[in-house]
Amino acid sequence: DAGVIQSPRHEVTEMGQEVTLRCKPISGHNSLFWYRQTMMRGLELLIYFNNNVPIDDSGMPEDRFSAKMPNASFSTLKIQPSEPRDSAVYFCASSPTGKNTEAFFGQGTRLTVV
Amino acid sequence: SQELEQSPQSLIVQEGKNLTINCTSSKTLYGLYWYKQKYGEGLIFLMMLQKGGEEKSHEKITAKLDEKKQQSSLHITASQPSHAGIYLCGAVSLSGNTPLVFGKGTRLSVIA
Repeated sequence: DAGVIQSPRHEVTEMGQEVTLRCKPISGHNSLFWYRQTMMRGLELLIYFNNNVPIDDSGMPEDRFSAKMPNASFSTLKIQPSEPRDSAVYFCASSPTGKNTEAFFGQGTRLTVV
Repeated sequence: SQELEQSPQSLIVQEGKNLTINCTSSKTLYGLYWYKQKYGEGLIFLMMLQKGGEEKSHEKITAKLDEKKQQSSLHITASQPSHAGIYLCGAVSLSGNTPLVFGKGTRLSVIA
């Protein structure tokens, strides 16, 4: 398996533009997580899905952020409109169902909003 | 909510030296994960500890969960340049199947 695949790897956009980050989890994994990593705040959980259903989105910073998982093999994180403070590395991770199973991380998308 | 504090925040060691990174939780740990991250890359799973007093090793890296299950330590023996990176500890809740909450990480540099 190729692991968790994220695209794009890098994104530079102007403030106010819409940004869409994409994630393909590992086949067979039932849980999918979106994290954001910054120097100041470290790795923060934004939202997670279980069997394609959003379970907890309390980490989503504002209404400008939205995430979808239309099927078991694809998820998107959208920021509209983007702001400079959204600049960060966004990680997607997936894990199989069950207690204390490790999460497998993608390579991340480095987002820069100018 | 559970919070994890890692210490030190950064560490520079000479190649061949031993080192220890600590992770302290504000609540009882029901599962403690150690990950390593290289700059610009994703997180790589190292090991998971669940039981108080449990100790696991992988190559030259050993992690332990204390008896009270509120602190874990990661020990590297005879450090090498390949050990350089950011080490993050992550924890799960009692149910064990909710997402990981992470510490802010410890940045390790190994110099020749």
